[in-house]
Amino acid sequence: GIQVEQSPPDLILQEGANSTLRCNFSDSVNNLQWFHQNPWGQLINLFYIPSGTKQNGRLSATTVATERYSLLYISSSQTTDSGVYFCAVERSANAGGTSYGKLTFGQGTILTVHP
Amino acid sequence: DGGITQSPKYLFRKEGQNVTLSCEQNLNHDAMYWYRQDPGQGLRLIYYSQIVNDFQKGDIAEGYSVSREKKESFPLTVTSAQKNPTAFYLCASNLFSGLANTGELFFGEGSRLTVL
Repeated sequence: GIQVEQSPPDLILQEGANSTLRCNFSDSVNNLQWFHQNPWGQLINLFYIPSGTKQNGRLSATTVATERYSLLYISSSQTTDSGVYFCAVERSANAGGTSYGKLTFGQGTILTVHP
Repeated sequence: DGGITQSPKYLFRKEGQNVTLSCEQNLNHDAMYWYRQDPGQGLRLIYYSQIVNDFQKGDIAEGYSVSREKKESFPLTVTSAQKNPTAFYLCASNLFSGLANTGELFFGEGSRLTVL
């Protein structure tokens, strides 16, 4: 199956700092999502980004599908950004690129932001 | 409000008992999924269903069963055959429309099962 590697595994920041999280994957994908898991366990959708660049407030993401990686940027971090960030992908099933929503998750990056 | 509702949020059971976790969605999504998360790990796919009365095994289906009698509902039963049932269980859904499907998943709040 497809392999998903996230780095770094742990990240500690002071409030206001910027950070970059990376997701490498081992095969072509037609679905890539970034999630934030809050302390209560809920997965919050951040980006659906199988290719290209998107921005949402202080967060942005870039996926370079041809080089099999995605980056999540967090600027001006806040304590509420703390939690676990997951990258999840689905391998391209056929030439048509149909996605079935069968995601393979990385191990996550644990982010701690101190005041 | 539209969303995915899982119940119960916390569940304790004795070893050897079957338990059923509920997942209901009012998003009019076609496809529904069950994932399992162990401490410090990512999520793994248990079962998924793209249409009513049909479902497929995911990567770790052994010891679990599901049904999809209604579009809105996708209950998961953790049977006594599951060797390590203590985990966090997350239900998800998406609007599967074949070739037009984006595959973007949306998750419920999860159910935490502890087997004593």
